[in-house]
Amino acid sequence: DAKTTQPPSMDCAEGRAANLPCNHSTISGNEYVYWYRQIHSQGPQYIIHGLKNNETNEMASLIITEDRKSSTLILPHATLRDTAVYYCIVSPNNAGNMLTFGGGTRLMVKP
Amino acid sequence: DAGVIQSPRHEVTEMGQEVTLRCKPISGHDYLFWYRQTMMRGLELLIYFNNNVPIDDSGMPEDRFSAKMPNASFSTLKIQPSEPRDSAVYFCASSASGGRYTFGSGTRLTVV
Repeated sequence: DAKTTQPPSMDCAEGRAANLPCNHSTISGNEYVYWYRQIHSQGPQYIIHGLKNNETNEMASLIITEDRKSSTLILPHATLRDTAVYYCIVSPNNAGNMLTFGGGTRLMVKP
Repeated sequence: DAGVIQSPRHEVTEMGQEVTLRCKPISGHDYLFWYRQTMMRGLELLIYFNNNVPIDDSGMPEDRFSAKMPNASFSTLKIQPSEPRDSAVYFCASSASGGRYTFGSGTRLTVV
């Protein structure tokens, strides 16, 4: 029972912005949107999370629609090192809540 | 902080042997999670602990799998006896709160 839907793959040119979409139309009021990425052969890495306001940190920006049914992760200037699988996850922000990873989006950044 | 430390990085064992995977979480993190990743099934949560106590082990595939956390700085995942279908990358993660996990580098297990 997938709670999020992401395209299986995307390409992006190096230096351009990478916009990764995620659909979470059944999100509940207490659920946050989390983004992780997994670079080949490494453990998943936390990127960013948000509830309803847009968020930005040193890695990325997260744009959540007003109805909260979808979101977009933005990598403003993609580099080759951003090639990875990106996971969008919805979950309550309670300590100990379990994160369920779906298939994610495989982002390929090309020179 | 050295992050979440897992050992060994790679393990090759023969079917039927006992395998023990180890994890040292980040100091101060109260939650510890064990995940398994395969091409077919992706990342699956096996079990998680809170303050060294197992909270949810519904993801543990069979009785051959067991996990312990004897203290706040150490956890083990044991498979006995191991089977070829247990071949996967096993990740340990820890968290202080919410959904911000820090993952280890994983243990790649191959059962031949």
